[in-house]
Amino acid sequence: DGGITQSPKYLFRKEGQNVTLSCEQNLNHDAMYWYRQDPGQGLRLIYYSQIVNDFQKGDIAEGYSVSREKKESFPLTVTSAQKNPTAFYLCASSMQQGVSPLHFGNGTRLTVT
Amino acid sequence: DQQVKQNSPSLSVQEGRISILNCDYTNSMFDYFLWYKKYPAEGPTFLISISSIKDKNEDGRFTVFLNKSAKHLSLHIVPSQPGDSAVYFCAATNYNTNAGKSTFGDGTTLTVKP
Repeated sequence: DGGITQSPKYLFRKEGQNVTLSCEQNLNHDAMYWYRQDPGQGLRLIYYSQIVNDFQKGDIAEGYSVSREKKESFPLTVTSAQKNPTAFYLCASSMQQGVSPLHFGNGTRLTVT
Repeated sequence: DQQVKQNSPSLSVQEGRISILNCDYTNSMFDYFLWYKKYPAEGPTFLISISSIKDKNEDGRFTVFLNKSAKHLSLHIVPSQPGDSAVYFCAATNYNTNAGKSTFGDGTTLTVKP
């Protein structure tokens, strides 16, 4: 089955530590995205990548970093500079051409204490 | 300034009746709109979309209506089923921009009672 795999489902970290969230897709999609969801709020775009070795900041990129070394993979690092890292993180992908819907993974819930 | 607003955080309807979820937008550049459905602890899944060249798009029990002059769209679910209970997100984008740069509303939690 084609899809997006995010791991782990739950992640706990101490304040001040960097943490990397994994995202892998086998849909052969060119574009990949990271969103953050906070309780009662919509999805906010952190970073996106339209092609390997290229990525752009979204609306809330501060305190985050990404890499896109392979088409299938788009890991997100939450750094210690992120002021409020506790959130639900969603990875998504889409076909590059035209306007195509997003395919989402099942998310990683990160808790930083 | 929130460009996509879903003013009803929650909606409760009886099984078999119609569910109407509303969404308003402010950015005139938006010309493509999508609805996603999300169950707890899962990622959203795409439900239905509409381009600004249309005012209605239908897919089975789901119909989306677009009123460009009012900058308003709505999702109708008929008949509603208990399995439709989920959070529904409205998203808006510009056709020349990849859908990943959609702007999302805060979501409406739909509860369908048996």
